[in-house]
Amino acid sequence: GQQVMQIPQYQHVQEGEDFTTYCNSSTTLSNIQWYKQRPGGHPVFLIQLVKSGEVKKQKRLTFQFGEAKKNSSLHITATQTTDVGTYFCAGYGSSNTGKLIFGQGTTLQVKP
Amino acid sequence: GAVVSQHPSRVICKSGTSVKIECRSLDFQATTMFWYRQFPKKSLMLMATSNEGSKATYEQGVEKDKFLINHASLTLSTLTVTSAHPEDSSFYICSLLVGGAYNEQFFGPGTRLTVL
Repeated sequence: GQQVMQIPQYQHVQEGEDFTTYCNSSTTLSNIQWYKQRPGGHPVFLIQLVKSGEVKKQKRLTFQFGEAKKNSSLHITATQTTDVGTYFCAGYGSSNTGKLIFGQGTTLQVKP
Repeated sequence: GAVVSQHPSRVICKSGTSVKIECRSLDFQATTMFWYRQFPKKSLMLMATSNEGSKATYEQGVEKDKFLINHASLTLSTLTVTSAHPEDSSFYICSLLVGGAYNEQFFGPGTRLTVL
């Protein structure tokens, strides 16, 4: 079945350093979504990418969708302690059944 | 975006009892809701798709007789964990599908179930 892989699983950075998490799908995705889950909280929708090669920015966060629509990345510039949490990518398959397939998540720790 | 609530937020029960978890859409009529479970430091695993007015669709490996889902209205879906055992202890999260061009999902705050 369709799988969404995410690396790294954990990342510890010093406050101010950059951070990137990568997401790869075994099949082409119709779109990809990114979620953030704070410790003890629930996933919160960040953004959705739909077009091949699309790049979107939200303040210090930059999201990219690969040309082949099988991979994506989230880059955070100059991390802050408020960025702590687990970042999940999730994709819909090409059949677009409405079922999201989640990656394993990347847990970010930021040392002040 | 849509606002989703879940009740209870936490529940502790004895082994063998049944627990009902409610998922409500406060401002959106949801024909489709999803139920996930999440183990500590793990990803979200889709358990079932809840369809208003019809039977839920369960993912492979999820026991439909153990995890009863009822989606009787456009704003409420319930998940009942029957005869709960310690291995059922987990974080259960519902989401609703807003649909449209982007098929956004909005998640509830989750219910942490602990079975003693």
